[in-house]
Amino acid sequence: GEDVEQSLFLSVREGDSSVINCTYTDSSSTYLYWYKQEPGAGLQLLTYIFSNMDMKQDQRLTVLLNKKDKHLSLRIADTQTGDSAIYFCAESPLSGGYQKVTFGTGTKLQVIP
Amino acid sequence: GAVVSQHPSWVICKSGTSVKIECRSLDFQATTMFWYRQFPKQSLMLMATSNEGSKATYEQGVEKDKFLINHASLTLSTLTVTSAHPEDSSFYICSAYSNEQFFGPGTRLTVL
Repeated sequence: GEDVEQSLFLSVREGDSSVINCTYTDSSSTYLYWYKQEPGAGLQLLTYIFSNMDMKQDQRLTVLLNKKDKHLSLRIADTQTGDSAIYFCAESPLSGGYQKVTFGTGTKLQVIP
Repeated sequence: GAVVSQHPSWVICKSGTSVKIECRSLDFQATTMFWYRQFPKQSLMLMATSNEGSKATYEQGVEKDKFLINHASLTLSTLTVTSAHPEDSSFYICSAYSNEQFFGPGTRLTVL
């Protein structure tokens, strides 16, 4: 079945850039997502990318996709303490009227003031 | 943006009791809702897919008689954990689909 892997923890200093990496195995993945989960809360969709794209930028967020290596990354520029959270990479195929999303293990980002 | 609510946000119950968790899409209609379970420091595991007016589709390994799902309307799905036991303690998150999945804030269930 589908498998999505992430490193568990990342620590950066405030103002630096953060790069969170993710690898996936499903070659039929069409949508790749990044979600943010703050403590005790649900998931917030940060951004997503279609598999026919290499890069997507949205303000401080840059997503890079290497489809050949099935590698996805999320770069957060000028990381702030409010960015401290768990970040989930996720993927889904184009599947009828809804998308079954498979989540990665999550990367806990700690921002040091 | 689309908002999904869950109620209650946390619940503590005794072993053997049943607990109902509601998931509502507040400003849109969702023909499909999903129920996830998240263990501490782990990813979200899809439990079941719920379509309005039909039986839920459960993922492998999820007991349908243990986790009852009812999708009574286009804005409401409920998850009932029957005869709850301490191993059912977890964070339960629902999502509602309308072009993308919108997630609820989650329900923390603790079974004593």
